[in-house]
Amino acid sequence: AQSVTQLGSHVSVSEGALVLLRCNYSSSVPPYLFWYVQYPNQGLQLLLKYTSAATLVKGINGFEAEFKKSETSFHLTKPSAHMSDAAEYFCAVIVSGGSYIPTFGRGTSLIVHP
Amino acid sequence: EAQVTQNPRYLITVTGKKLTVTCSQNMNHEYMSWYRQDPGLGLRQIYYSMNVEVTDKGDVPEGYKVSRKEKRNFPLILESPSPNQTSLYFCASSWGIANTGELFFGEGSRLTVL
Repeated sequence: AQSVTQLGSHVSVSEGALVLLRCNYSSSVPPYLFWYVQYPNQGLQLLLKYTSAATLVKGINGFEAEFKKSETSFHLTKPSAHMSDAAEYFCAVIVSGGSYIPTFGRGTSLIVHP
Repeated sequence: EAQVTQNPRYLITVTGKKLTVTCSQNMNHEYMSWYRQDPGLGLRQIYYSMNVEVTDKGDVPEGYKVSRKEKRNFPLILESPSPNQTSLYFCASSWGIANTGELFFGEGSRLTVL
């Protein structure tokens, strides 16, 4: 069975500081991994995805994530936070060769202070 | 413009009064799904559909019904709503989960059951 754990329901950073949102997955076979972002009063949109190509994946708005098989992690980072990055972030996993139904983490709310 | 459209966006109703939340996508996607989002619980899948006339239960199907008579539409039906179904609902669609897995989300429907 596949699962996703997002560490920290809330992460608070100052504007200009490093953003690090953690995601660990559980899967017995190679996964597809995704980060989605939800801005206030909107639906989710794809930020970036890993589908077994390069382990370092670049997404929109300066975000990137690195797939680390040994650590079963797919943490999301951004070098310098901007006020507009304040949103809810969801990590999701799909197991290749399985049902292809995505499993979502519980989400991490990113708070950016001026 | 490619999009997933949900209606209504906001609804207040009373216990037991049947309601339908519509979902339509214009991308010819095969896969469609309904989620509910509750504070602290993230996204939970209600029902999904791999294609026309094919639907299946997600993690929290109790109290909900769906149908997929046409490829573009996937309505969510609450036959007898109860207060515990007060939530934010999202419809999502995808080309084919086996390909990229990227989900496209509607903007959400906020339902309050009194």
